[in-house]
Amino acid sequence: SQQGEEDPQALSIQEGENATMNCSYKTSINNLQWYRQNSGRGLVHLILIRSNEREKHSGRLRVTLDTSKKSSSLLITASRAADTASYFCERGSYIPTFGRGTSLIVHP
Amino acid sequence: DAGVIQSPRHEVTEMGQEVTLRCKPISGHDYLFWYRQTMMRGLELLIYFNNNVPIDDSGMPEDRFSAKMPNASFSTLKIQPSEPRDSAVYFCASSPDRGLSPLHFGNGTRLTVT
Repeated sequence: SQQGEEDPQALSIQEGENATMNCSYKTSINNLQWYRQNSGRGLVHLILIRSNEREKHSGRLRVTLDTSKKSSSLLITASRAADTASYFCERGSYIPTFGRGTSLIVHP
Repeated sequence: DAGVIQSPRHEVTEMGQEVTLRCKPISGHDYLFWYRQTMMRGLELLIYFNNNVPIDDSGMPEDRFSAKMPNASFSTLKIQPSEPRDSAVYFCASSPDRGLSPLHFGNGTRLTVT
């Protein structure tokens, strides 16, 4: 398949804990993007990491990229109930396709 | 910037009826994408346009589905006749280019066909 694949499919944690979700892909990339989808809403772009970057931060988000393993991770630190959402990666392709996402539930 | 606007937010119709979903992309965005999301199949790309021209409609499931973009500020996705298996959330997204720019999604139309 051409899209990134997220892992795990579901993640349930307590508020304050860190959440880590992973994305694997099969072909080379120029960049990789992470999106969040709240229930009943469209996807919202979170962060982009270029192929020549290994790590990027945005607030409580930390994204890593390992092009040798064709994988990326999204870490949300000190999670909040408002982080409850589905998270998707998109490998920055000309025709953007998405996997099934990781469903994150943060319990207050 | 009002974002991508989709209408209606919810649509309930009976099998066999024609359904038209509408999308207004962000001004200046040259690319427009239609997606369908279901629990079973995830987020599927149906069709995309560049400068109002359909480029790839290989994701359109059947001839019952058609999409148009008569101008840069409006697109429609039509299903005729509709079937229960078409029930899903349909998203429209736009992007200024296909380089580093992310997609901007609307909030979708939830379609229920009974």
